[in-house]
Amino acid sequence: QSVLTQPPSVSGAPGQRVTISCTGNSSNIGAGFDVHWYQQLPGAAPKLLIYSNNNRPSGVPDRFSGSKSGPSASLAITGLQAEDEADYYCQSYDRSLGASVVFGGGTKLTVL
Amino acid sequence: QVQLLESGPGLVKPSETLSLICSVSGASVGSNYWSWIRQPPGKGLEWIGYIHYTGNTNYNPSLKSRATISLDTAKNQIFLNLDSVTAADSAIYYCSRDRVGGTDYWGQGTLVTVSS
Repeated sequence: QSVLTQPPSVSGAPGQRVTISCTGNSSNIGAGFDVHWYQQLPGAAPKLLIYSNNNRPSGVPDRFSGSKSGPSASLAITGLQAEDEADYYCQSYDRSLGASVVFGGGTKLTVL
Repeated sequence: QVQLLESGPGLVKPSETLSLICSVSGASVGSNYWSWIRQPPGKGLEWIGYIHYTGNTNYNPSLKSRATISLDTAKNQIFLNLDSVTAADSAIYYCSRDRVGGTDYWGQGTLVTVSS
């Protein structure tokens, strides 16, 4: 069971907006640690999508955005495209585990 | 361009030690943090641990001290040893570069199967 909780799956039609939640607690996200998001396309290594809660690396479309509030974070994808179908993971740090890196269980995004 | 390439045996016997190498190009292991992360087939990501060039390390407590990460600045490589493996350690193993702003570079991953 993952320290950070994500919905196992979400879906949306092309052009729609979807959000993926990432819920932690006072030892990780709620303690003020940054949240990063990764996109993993089928058969590929994960790719950094959002860093430090709400920042996009160069080359990531502005359709992707992140937010954080209290012990939770969210990834929003607008203008959904077929190529967005992938697994998405949130990542943070947990002070109760010696400042260990922790991941969410992952969310499978299906574009209908 | 930073590139990471994992290598090592694809098959390890139960109770033995899994040993992997990550060869880095385009960046020096003498800076930043470097992690090993694994992913059992069809499952999520699990952080194994990280190392800083100063030698500082941190490991996932769930691995119960079975993991050791080291680096060789002369060869620009990072190493992972995982002792006393079981079938539960079968996974794709990734090496990666960590920064304050997340894990920005990942290797392609190497599949390790634990089986007799």
